[in-house]
Amino acid sequence: EAAVTQSPRSKVAVTGGKVTLSCHQTNNHDYMYWYRQDTGHGLRLIHYSYVADSTEKGDIPDGYKASRPSQENFSLILELASLSQTAVYFCASGDSNYAEQFFGPGTRLTVL
Amino acid sequence: GDSVTQTEGQVALSEEDFLTIHCNYSASGYPALFWYVQYPGEGPQFLFRASRDKEKGSSRGFEATYNKETTSFHLQKASVQESDSAVYYCALGGPASSSFSKLVFGQGTSLSVVP
Repeated sequence: EAAVTQSPRSKVAVTGGKVTLSCHQTNNHDYMYWYRQDTGHGLRLIHYSYVADSTEKGDIPDGYKASRPSQENFSLILELASLSQTAVYFCASGDSNYAEQFFGPGTRLTVL
Repeated sequence: GDSVTQTEGQVALSEEDFLTIHCNYSASGYPALFWYVQYPGEGPQFLFRASRDKEKGSSRGFEATYNKETTSFHLQKASVQESDSAVYYCALGGPASSSFSKLVFGQGTSLSVVP
């Protein structure tokens, strides 16, 4: 069965610290995505990738970097975490730009 | 830019009630329209998709019809159950012919169904 896993599932970080969120998919999908979820905003796209070693900016990329070292793995990096980055982060994969996306269980990030 | 508006932030119903969640979109061209459902503690799950005017998408008793004239894709279910309690997201994406298309999500509608 298709699967997207995320680690950690929750994290508390300090302001100004570096945070790395990891995502792994076993779907053999080319496309991977990072979203953040905030109450009242739904899901917003941060970064995405359609091939290993290449990432693209989404709608809200400021303050975030992404890394896709292999087809299976996609990381989201917060170099200097800020209070405003407290949110739930979801990773997703899909086999084309048009197909359904499979989401991971999410990572709850709290920046103090 | 493209956008999706869900009118209801929260909906409270009793079991066997009829459900409607309104979704309207603004987009250039001919987008694909989606419904996703998110249960507590989980990531969103694809519910169904419609790609052209008047096409009906459906799954698990839920359905929605693509209406290009009114730019709408309202979610309906004839008789809800307590297990349908979740957050529902309407989303739009580009047509299959586009080189890349991101999903644009609405704000989400929280459905609560009581026995």
